[in-house]
Amino acid sequence: EAGVAQSPRYKIIEKRQSVAFWCNPISGHATLYWYQQILGQGPKLLIQFQNNGVVDDSQLPKDRFSAERLKGVDSTLKIQPAKLEDSAVYLCASSILLRGNSPLHFGNGTRLTVT
Amino acid sequence: AQTVTQSQPEMSVQEAETVTLSCTYDTSENNYYLFWYKQPPSRQMILVIRQEAYKQQNATENRFSVNFQKAAKSFSLKISDSQLGDTAMYFCAFMKRGSNYQLIWGAGTKLIIKP
Repeated sequence: EAGVAQSPRYKIIEKRQSVAFWCNPISGHATLYWYQQILGQGPKLLIQFQNNGVVDDSQLPKDRFSAERLKGVDSTLKIQPAKLEDSAVYLCASSILLRGNSPLHFGNGTRLTVT
Repeated sequence: AQTVTQSQPEMSVQEAETVTLSCTYDTSENNYYLFWYKQPPSRQMILVIRQEAYKQQNATENRFSVNFQKAAKSFSLKISDSQLGDTAMYFCAFMKRGSNYQLIWGAGTKLIIKP
């Protein structure tokens, strides 16, 4: 089966610019996650979707970050305006169900550098 | 709140040796899952092994096994006959059962397998 697809692979922007990341989960996976992974740390959940509804966005900085999952398939994460501290790898993951016995499948991530 | 601690920032061993990565966690929950994920330079998070807290038997996946000590809240990963391809960051993660797959991650251990 095809894995979780993410693009772009790398992005370099200046602070105060905007950027968008795209994720296409594995076909049939209802649940989609966006994580932020700062260098030297474990991933931090930004937002979790079940189909096209938001399950949890409590750690999403809503003043600058937004995410959508139209039609319950692919998803876009946007940052506007970017700050230096947003430099990180942004990982997308998907799972069939919202349960612990349904494993997470991750994409290769997008490495964002804000200068 | 739950926390996950990985006390070894970096480890290195010779190829074919056995290595053990440490993970401790803090929780008042009784039903939960524990995971070890591998993140190679490609950045994709790959599930290595999973343990359900109510199961006393330690999980095993080929060369990978865990030592799960529930009372001590310890969850170490043993890699036998280590291979060059095992070189990666290894993350320990905790998930409360029924928590909509809210993973709590450790900071990771960088494992280097030397030829």
